[in-house]
Amino acid sequence: NAGVTQTPKFRILKIGQSMTLQCAQDMNHNYMYWYRQDPGMGLKLIYYSVGAGITDKGEVPNGYNVSRSTTEDFPLRLELAAPSQTSVYFCASGFLSGTVFSNEQFFGPGTRLTVL
Amino acid sequence: GQQVMQIPQYQHVQEGEDFTTYCNSSTTLSNIQWYKQRPGGHPVFLIQLVKSGEVKKQKRLTFQFGEAKKNSSLHITATQTTDVGTYFCVYYGGSQGNLIFGKGTKLSVKP
Repeated sequence: NAGVTQTPKFRILKIGQSMTLQCAQDMNHNYMYWYRQDPGMGLKLIYYSVGAGITDKGEVPNGYNVSRSTTEDFPLRLELAAPSQTSVYFCASGFLSGTVFSNEQFFGPGTRLTVL
Repeated sequence: GQQVMQIPQYQHVQEGEDFTTYCNSSTTLSNIQWYKQRPGGHPVFLIQLVKSGEVKKQKRLTFQFGEAKKNSSLHITATQTTDVGTYFCVYYGGSQGNLIFGKGTKLSVKP
């Protein structure tokens, strides 16, 4: 299993440009998440999905959009990039067993994004 | 909403010294998890604690969950250079299963 994969690893954008961060998992997890991590901080939730076709906002959704057309893929779209979106973006997945979430979430390697 | 505070923010130790990081919440937590993030890496799950007063050990790492389920600690005995990284206490924030991260304790180990 590859686990959670993310592309690209690094990207530099100009203000106002758009891009899509790709995330895929091969563990058949129903839950997927996008977090951002600013320097010296913990992770904050941007968007999440509980299954294909279902997405919802997290703590910091402004400036982002997501879609979930398949169980495996959960891309994050940045429209009109701004310097405040300079961050490291992590995708993660997990599953629900009965009514209890699995012990751990599995994180991808991250995408380092700089907006200039 | 709920927040977890971690102390210290930074810790520099000599290799072989012990290290402890503490996590405190103003409200009762249903669970607490610990993740480690190496420099330039991604968070990796270490352990989950769910019971009041729970203590778990992983080799040189000892994890505790307070009796009131409002605090937790991670203790590393005889640190090694491989222990370098940021340690986060984390808990499930809601019904959607997302994680709420503390700010972490960054550990550096001098050989």
